Amino acid sequence: GAVVSQHPSWVICKSGTSVKIECRSLDFQATTMFWYRQFPKQSLMLMATSNEGSKATYEQGVEKDKFLINHASLTLSTLTVTSAHPEDSSFYICSATTPGLPYEQYFGPGTRLTVT
Amino acid sequence: AQKVTQAQTEISVVEKEDVTLDCVYETRDTTYYLFWYKQPPSGELVFLIRRNSFDEQNEISGRYSWNFQKSTSSFNFTITASQVVDSAVYFCALSEANTGNQFYFGTGTSLTVIP
Repeated sequence: GAVVSQHPSWVICKSGTSVKIECRSLDFQATTMFWYRQFPKQSLMLMATSNEGSKATYEQGVEKDKFLINHASLTLSTLTVTSAHPEDSSFYICSATTPGLPYEQYFGPGTRLTVT
Repeated sequence: AQKVTQAQTEISVVEKEDVTLDCVYETRDTTYYLFWYKQPPSGELVFLIRRNSFDEQNEISGRYSWNFQKSTSSFNFTITASQVVDSAVYFCALSEANTGNQFYFGTGTSLTVIP
């Protein structure tokens, strides 16, 4: 149980375009979802925390207008990278928690974004 | 301040050797959780273990073992008789009950097992 999927697993887009990444909890309802970014040979950096039905909370230094997060349902959160630039190329990972186990995060497989 | 420190950036061992990955954490909470994850080249995080702050018992799972010591704020991970498939980046993480269970990841240790 507690499976989190991400779609797409990888995406290549042109500079200036927008790309949407989906994060789904497949067999549980996720009250909270997290979005992380990971650059090569670095650790995961938390970008934002989203709760279903409310606005996401962004970490310091993360542009909320550039990285739009929508947590429209208890099983789906989306991250849209707007006007992507090559420096946005990274590995994006989402995670989700359940109401009963708030300290446990279930991680998605990640989405590799390359902006050309 | 870094809440989770993994001082070893890269480690190389020869197959069948034992290797210990260090993790030191910092928290003022009395209730917290510690985790280890494996990240192979594919990128997907693989959950290895979770420990809560009230359970200091060491744990063994096959070739893996963990040593949790609150006195030194450490949660070290040992792989016995390492194998090539153990090559990956390993992350230690901390979750505190008082900070909304946000995860704090260490910088990771890249382990290479040489055949």
